[in-house]
Parts: sequence; structure tokens; C-alpha cells
Amino acid sequence: DVKVTQSSRYLVKRTGEKVFLECVQDMDHENMFWYRQDPGLGLRLIYFSYDVKMKEKGDIPEGYSVSREKKERFSLILESASTNQTSMYLCASVGRETQYFGPGTRLLVL
Amino acid sequence: AQSVTQLGSHVSVSEGALVLLRCNYSSSVPPYLFWYVQYPNQGLQLLLKYTSAATLVKGINGFEAEFKKSKTSFHLTKPSAHMSDAAEYFCAVSPTDSWGKLQFGAGTQVVVTP
Repeated sequence: DVKVTQSSRYLVKRTGEKVFLECVQDMDHENMFWYRQDPGLGLRLIYFSYDVKMKEKGDIPEGYSVSREKKERFSLILESASTNQTSMYLCASVGRETQYFGPGTRLLVL
Repeated sequence: AQSVTQLGSHVSVSEGALVLLRCNYSSSVPPYLFWYVQYPNQGLQLLLKYTSAATLVKGINGFEAEFKKSKTSFHLTKPSAHMSDAAEYFCAVSPTDSWGKLQFGAGTQVVVTP
């Protein structure tokens, strides 16, 4: 089975902190994605990557950056966390015509 | 640009009754279409997908969906609801030339009553 893991299930941070969300997949997939999920808005694409060291902006990249140094790991970075970044963050890895999602990280920024 | 509209943010259905979740999309060309389910405190699980093969797609847990190009719809159905179907359901589209880049609907919360 494909496994996509995220480093934390729950995270509490303070405004202005630098936050790292890590995502690891074990299926040698090239394509990885970061979404945020908010009630009534569904999932919105933040950033994605089709290869190592490659990144592209999604629909809502403001306030975020990403890092893909190794194929299996795709990190989402909040350079200076703000309260409006309180959300559920979901990572996904894409195989043959199927996206596999991690369990999500629920981030609370105080 | 693509977009997805799910009709109804909450749906209540009796156990044993038909489940019908509506999804309409907007796209200049027929995209790939998906339905995902999310159980409480879990990630998303793929129910089924349409990738330009048969227009009636069967998925897991007894769900199926029909792609209707003329109506730009991809409604999800299950003949008989089970208590375990209580979850949030998301419809999503992906352009065929940017595989994996999903655009999601807002989601429909399904409640199943005994």
C-alpha cells in the first residue's frame, strides 16, 4: 500500500513563528502536492512539485514556500505564521492516475 | 479555468435510502473527475474516478457516479445508505494535461439517520 505520512497530526504555533510541515511518501512518486482545507471552502492547492528541486505555485501560495530536496519528501514552510493560516493541511502524492493523501496536520496559530 | 460546484453542503439520508450527491463542473474540455470521502480526523480516500473511459463509474463501498458531458455533471449515488457512510464527500476535477492538480468542490457532509 502507498503510504503518505505527515510529521504531525496537531500543531500549535504562535504568530510570527517559522513553521515546517513535512510530508513523506514511500512509492517513488514524482508528483507531490500541498493543500489546505477549510470548512465551506473544500481543499485549495497551495504548492506542488513535479520533480526534485522543482516547485510551482498553486491557487493560494501567499505566505507559504516549499522545499523538495529529495524525491520522497515535500516540505511546506510558513515563513511567519499568521492566525489566518490556522487550518488543516493535507499533503498528497500522485501515482498512476490516483492521488494518495496523508492524514493531515491540523495547525492552530495563536 | 476549472471550477466545481457541489449542491448542498449538508445532506441527511435515512439508513437504507438512496444517497445522491450532486456535482457540476466547469471546464473548457472534459477533465478527469473524482469523488473523495473523508471520515472524521482522517485524510481523503478515493471513492472513484472518471478518466475518459466508461461514463458510468463504479467505486468502492457500493458508490457509483455517472459522467454526463452535456450537463457537465458527475453525480454520486449509492442505492442504500449505511450508517458507515456518514462522512464528508468531495468532488474534484483535474485537467488532463496537468495530472494531479485537483480543483475541489466545497464538500457535502452526509448524515445518516437510523
